[in-house]
This record gives sequence, structure tokens and C-alpha cells, in this order.
Amino acid sequence: SQELEQSPQSLIVQEGKNLTINCTSSKTLYGLYWYKQKYGEGLIFLMMLQKGGEEKSHEKITAKLDEKKQQSSLHITASQPSHAGIYLCGADRGRAGGTSYGKLTFGQGTILTVHP
Amino acid sequence: DAGVIQSPRHEVTEMGQEVTLRCKPISGHDYLFWYRQTMMRGLELLIYFNNNVPIDDSGMPEDRFSAKMPNASFSTLKIQPSEPRDSAVYFCASSNPSGRVTDTQYFGPGTRLTVL
Repeated sequence: SQELEQSPQSLIVQEGKNLTINCTSSKTLYGLYWYKQKYGEGLIFLMMLQKGGEEKSHEKITAKLDEKKQQSSLHITASQPSHAGIYLCGADRGRAGGTSYGKLTFGQGTILTVHP
Repeated sequence: DAGVIQSPRHEVTEMGQEVTLRCKPISGHDYLFWYRQTMMRGLELLIYFNNNVPIDDSGMPEDRFSAKMPNASFSTLKIQPSEPRDSAVYFCASSNPSGRVTDTQYFGPGTRLTVL
């Protein structure tokens, strides 16, 4: 989607390295979702961020949403081969009045490869 | 819970044939989404239902595509007639009735459609 840009498109790292994936919207968002997809499989929910400045962590993955609610980052610490896959951000752009827009728009995804 | 179930997992058909994809959402979920994923366009929302009623079908590409949800535990996405450009992975997802339509969506494994 042109409204949601993910970077980088692909990333190759050595096991144990840290990495960051970014997701940028041209508009302020109601909510931002991170999903992971393995080849040939469906998406797995990772985290959802809704408040400006919010940060959530699960195991070695941390997601942040900036104060303006237009940019989010996903940071993986000490990457492992199990982290490999496609990471997608999904945005709920919301409606006037501060409610959900009703559907998500997804970024193009970031392909992560982790070499042992 | 078995999760979202989709069938078939793979479908190969010839141009002009009718294709029907099936989805069983997680029991108790009252939102159901159909997505299409291609390399060129990424993950796109086609249509979603709430309590078996179509809410937004603006993502349906054209009249060749139709979706139904006759009851809370079953939905179909039909393409008639199919064309090679319809080749993609089609995902079904459902979400928990917490009052937010974009609450965490649980994805099925997808149906990989190839139209020759």
C-alpha cells in the first residue's frame, strides 16, 4: 500500500545480531499491528500499538509507536534463525471521532533472513 | 481450538473455470476477513463480514469475485470465471468480538490458487 511504507524490503543478518524494521504512515493512525509470516503459512499476530509513544516487548522483540502515531519500529535483539520470515505491519487509520476505521492496510513486508 | 480452517490448501485450475475457496472461522469470532496476497500487490483486504453480514467489499477486484457467509461457521469466496491474474494466496482471518473490528485477527494457513 502506498499509504504504508516498510523498510527495508529485505534484511540478511548473522545470528546474534540486532535488527530494526520500520513502518511509516503518511497519516496519523488509530492503531498499528505487527504480524509475522513464514513462507507458505498464514500471518501470526505479534503486537498491537495504539497509544503515541507506546512500547511493547515479547521475548526478544520490541515494537514502538512514535508520539505522532505515524511511525513504528520493530526491533529484534540477538536474532535467531527462528526469527526468519516476513514481517508485516498493518495499520488501522481510524475515523474522525477516534474510532476504528474497520479494516487494516498492510505494508509490503520485510523479508528477514538469519544466518546461523 | 483448531484455529481458522481453510480449504483447499492448494488449487490448480484452468482459466475460465469456477473456483470456490472455503473458510471456517474460530468459533465465537464474529468478524471474518478475506485477503489476497501477491508479490506485486502484497496483502490486500478483499471483503469482511460482521455477524455474517458483508460490511465492506470495496476490495473485491471485480464482479467475477463473490463472497458469502451463510452462517457463523462458514464462508466462501468464489471466482467465476477465473483468470491467470487471479493466481495468489488467499487468506481468511477471524477476530474476537471485543467491540473493536480490528482487534487481533487470526489467520488461516491460506489457499494457494494457480490459474493456468
